[in-house]
Formats: sequence, structure tokens, C-alpha cells
Amino acid sequence: GAVVSQHPSRVICKSGTSVKIECRSLDFQATTMFWYRQFPKQSLMLMATSNEGSKATYEQGVEKDKFLINHASLTLSTLTVTSAHPEDSSFYICSVLQGTDTQYFGPGTRLTVL
Amino acid sequence: QKEVEQDPGPLSVPEGAIVSLNCTYSNSAFQYFMWYRQYSRKGPELLMYTYSSGNKEDGRFTAQVDKSSKYISLFIRDSQPSDSATYLCAITNQGGKLIFGQGTELSVKP
Repeated sequence: GAVVSQHPSRVICKSGTSVKIECRSLDFQATTMFWYRQFPKQSLMLMATSNEGSKATYEQGVEKDKFLINHASLTLSTLTVTSAHPEDSSFYICSVLQGTDTQYFGPGTRLTVL
Repeated sequence: QKEVEQDPGPLSVPEGAIVSLNCTYSNSAFQYFMWYRQYSRKGPELLMYTYSSGNKEDGRFTAQVDKSSKYISLFIRDSQPSDSATYLCAITNQGGKLIFGQGTELSVKP
């Protein structure tokens, strides 16, 4: 399967600052990537679908101006949490789509907003 | 009704036991079925992928799909403490958007 990395693995920031999370596909070119958020003891919640070279498609209830997604190349997608607040603290996970139906996930980024 | 329902557990078994994890889904249009394993504070890891009714075996793991009942299962034989994790079922159609179950937390005691 595909190998996916995320950076940073953990970030702590102050309320009101912006945080950028990188997701890299290390061994194949990913046209489509996904961003998820996971709260403790809960399943993954899809935030948005990111297609290389076009605007991301956000799920209902996800603020596109708060969670900025850029997929400028076939190996890199970034998620920027703008003006972060404590309620944005969560585990953020990206995935890459291989073929038409199989997703491989990154190791996740734990965001803590103080 | 949720599109995918999964027994939330937690499930605790002794080492060597056979583990059965189950999900049901509501939409018969879904074609692809997956099981992911997620260790604490890590991303999910793809364990099994199936697209037809029947059984698929990989080592100690067997995925079972019954499309007529809209029921999917994952069996773990000879469970090991290293199998302790949260197991997530997921379904999808072509296009790749996954719908996850709630996850079952499994603990295998030595």
C-alpha cells in the first residue's frame, strides 16, 4: 500500500494563531487526498476531499475559511487551521486515494490549542 | 439510521481467543468493504479489503461479507496482545469516500 507521512506529528499553539499541517504521499502520485478529524474515543470524521490542482470539497458543517486546504502537487496537501481555538484541538489525519476505492492513511497530527 | 453500525465494545479477550468484530450497513449499493486497525494515537492501517460476498483470509484474519444481510465481519484467530487496538469497518463505492463505523476497541490480555 501507499506510504503517507504527516508533519508535524504534534503541535501546541496559542489560541488565535494559525497552524499548517502537511500530508505527503511518499511513493506514488496522489490525485485525491482526504482530511479527517478524530476526537477521543470517536471514529474518523471526513472534513474535506482534496483534488490536485482544484479547490477542495468540504463536508457539511466544515468551515472552508477556517480549514484551508491546498493540494498544489501530486505528493503534497496541506491543511491550515486558521485562528485556532481550543475547540479545534483534535487529531487530524490525512489519507491518499489509490485506485478508485482504497485509502491509505498518514500517522496523524495531534493539535492542542491552549 | 446510520449508514454503518458497529458494535462499540470495548471488547476484552484472553490471549489465544477467537475475536469476532461486526458491522451492519443500510445501503445495498455499497460495493467495497474494508477493515482498518488503529493503534492509540496513530493513523488507521488497512487490514482487509473485500468486494464480494464470502470469506477472505489473510493469516490470522478473515473478513466475511454477506451482502444479502448487509453484514460484514472480521475474525481474528489466536489473538495476541499486539492485536489490542481499535478496529474500524468502512464501506465505500467507487470515488473513494469512506463511511466508517464507530470503531470497536479490542484488548487482548496475556
